[in-house]
Parts: sequence; structure tokens; C-alpha cells
Amino acid sequence: EAAVTQSPRSKVAVTGGKVTLSCHQTNNHDYMYWYRQDTGHGLRLIHYSYVADSTEKGDIPDGYKASRPSQENFSLILELASLSQTAVYFCASSPNYEQYFGPGTRLTVL
Amino acid sequence: AQKVIQVWSTASRQEGEELTLDCSYETSQVLYHLFWYKHLLSGEMVFLIRQMSSSTAKERSGRYSVVFQKSLKSISLVISALQPDDSGKYFCALWERGNTGGLSGKLTFGEGTQVTVIS
Repeated sequence: EAAVTQSPRSKVAVTGGKVTLSCHQTNNHDYMYWYRQDTGHGLRLIHYSYVADSTEKGDIPDGYKASRPSQENFSLILELASLSQTAVYFCASSPNYEQYFGPGTRLTVL
Repeated sequence: AQKVIQVWSTASRQEGEELTLDCSYETSQVLYHLFWYKHLLSGEMVFLIRQMSSSTAKERSGRYSVVFQKSLKSISLVISALQPDDSGKYFCALWERGNTGGLSGKLTFGEGTQVTVIS
């Protein structure tokens, strides 16, 4: 059974709408991460968390919020979705330096 | 400036051949880790192999091995005996320790190399 799951797997959102992407891990890992991948490019870090109820900004946090209500769950929130946020979003969990990725969520903002 | 550079955006070889994917990186940290991941068509990001900066061992995992040239800040992934299923996008990633202490850190990815294995 997959240890890092993401929901939804794909979503179409309207510009200006609110989008919440969810990530759940059963690895019992302390660290969780949100990345985005744009077509043809590598992953870029948006937010991460090393403990429940605490989040940290990554390299490209603008336009995103994150929430870690428990060790298992980590959400990425787009309060006002924009066209430029169309991408594939990956969640990962990690006990240390090795990260385990979820299957990704394809978000299309129209 | 890009921190992790994969020079070749595409590569293709015949089935059964060997392929080397190159990656260079920049870091000021003494201890770091380098990873190779494969991005499948299904969307899954699969871990392939890891190289610790402090290790001189030639890391190998099945048909995957790495050539690590620390002084040049270069790491290459070697895939031997290529199979059609090896087609996909391969990413090099650098892990550096974060500022929050403990074992927290972050991965910086290269832009990937799309590999095609020709049957």
C-alpha cells in the first residue's frame, strides 16, 4: 500500500478560486514537503514542515499556504488560484535526507 | 544561478547499451547527499540511487551505478544493459541541510533528462 498519497490526483480550478491539495503519509516521518513541477522542468520546493503545527517557506512560497495539522497530513492551499499555478504538485515525506514521493496532483487553472 | 545542472535534456540509446547521465551541482556545505530519481509516465517519482558526499564507495543498485567526482562537483548516473522500461525522465537532486536543525533539509532538482530506449 502506498505510503504517501495525494488527493485529488487531478483538478481543474477557476482563476481566483480556492484550491486545497491534500497529502497523507503512513511512514511516520517527521518531515513533509510540497513541490511543484512545471512541464519540462525539475521540482521546486514550495513549503515544508518538520513537525506538526509548523510549516516553513521553501524556495517559491508566494501564492501558497501550507498546513500541517498532524504528523500524517500536510495540505497545500491556493487561496486565489492563478493561471501560473497550473502544474503538477508533489508531496513527499522524509525521515532524514531520503524523500518518498506521492504520485502527484495535476492542477489546471483556467 | 542554477544549483543543479543536467546538461542534456534528452538522450537515446539502443536496447542493451549503456547510458551515462551527467549532473553538476553547487553547494557550500561539507555534508550533502545526491540523489537520482526517475519520473514515470504514471506520475510517480521513483528513487534510484543515493550518493553521500562523505562516501568514497562506488554506489550501485542493480543496473544503476554512479560516478562521483566530488572535487569537480559532478555526479553521473550509469544505466547498464538498457531496457525499454528504462525510458522516462531522470532527475538529479542535491540534498542540503536546512536551517531548522535536526535532519531537516531540502532537495534541489535539476531539470531532468528525458531518456528514450530504442528497441
